[in-house]
Amino acid sequence: AQSVTQLDSQVPVFEEAPVELRCNYSSSVSVYLFWYVQYPNQGLQLLLKYLSGSTLVESINGFEAEFNKSQTSFHLRKPSVHISDTAEYFCAVITPPGESYIPTFGRGTSLIVHP
Amino acid sequence: DSGVTQTPKHLITATGQRVTLRCSPRSGDLSVYWYQQSLDQGLQFLIQYYNGEERAKGNILERFSAQQFPDLHSELNLSSLELGDSALYFCASSFQKDTEAFFGQGTRLTVV
Repeated sequence: AQSVTQLDSQVPVFEEAPVELRCNYSSSVSVYLFWYVQYPNQGLQLLLKYLSGSTLVESINGFEAEFNKSQTSFHLRKPSVHISDTAEYFCAVITPPGESYIPTFGRGTSLIVHP
Repeated sequence: DSGVTQTPKHLITATGQRVTLRCSPRSGDLSVYWYQQSLDQGLQFLIQYYNGEERAKGNILERFSAQQFPDLHSELNLSSLELGDSALYFCASSFQKDTEAFFGQGTRLTVV
């Protein structure tokens, strides 16, 4: 069964500092990987995804994530965060094909950006 | 705006009652997922429908049920409500089984 571990429940950081949110998954087969962001009182929005091809994927707002098959990781990074990046971030995995295309989510990491 | 619409946004009800949450997926999406988000359990998958048929079940209680109608909208029915059912309930939709899911804004259920 697929599972996702987000190692940090909360990551405090100062504005303009770099940040890394960690995500590890458990699956012995090929996976699709996603990062979602949830702002307060809102639903989840897709931030970026890895389906195949280049292992480094980028979002439009400066985040990037790198798929590392040997370490079964998909860490999210940003070189310089803004106050507006304060939100909950969720890593998710889908294991295609097979029985389940259900996205399995990690517990989430709360990114708190301080001025 | 993800294109997924959930109603109502907020719901307050008493223990023992029954409620229905509604979800309209993005236009053209065939798959609908329901998730429950609570502080202690995180985001838990409840159930998936694909083109009107139940496709997969997750941690859904027997007191809960769902269906997807011919127009592809879905309803999640929660009955004999308990205090512990208080949570955010999200609906998500996708076009194909192996692409990303788009989430609605959620329904915040408070059981008092």
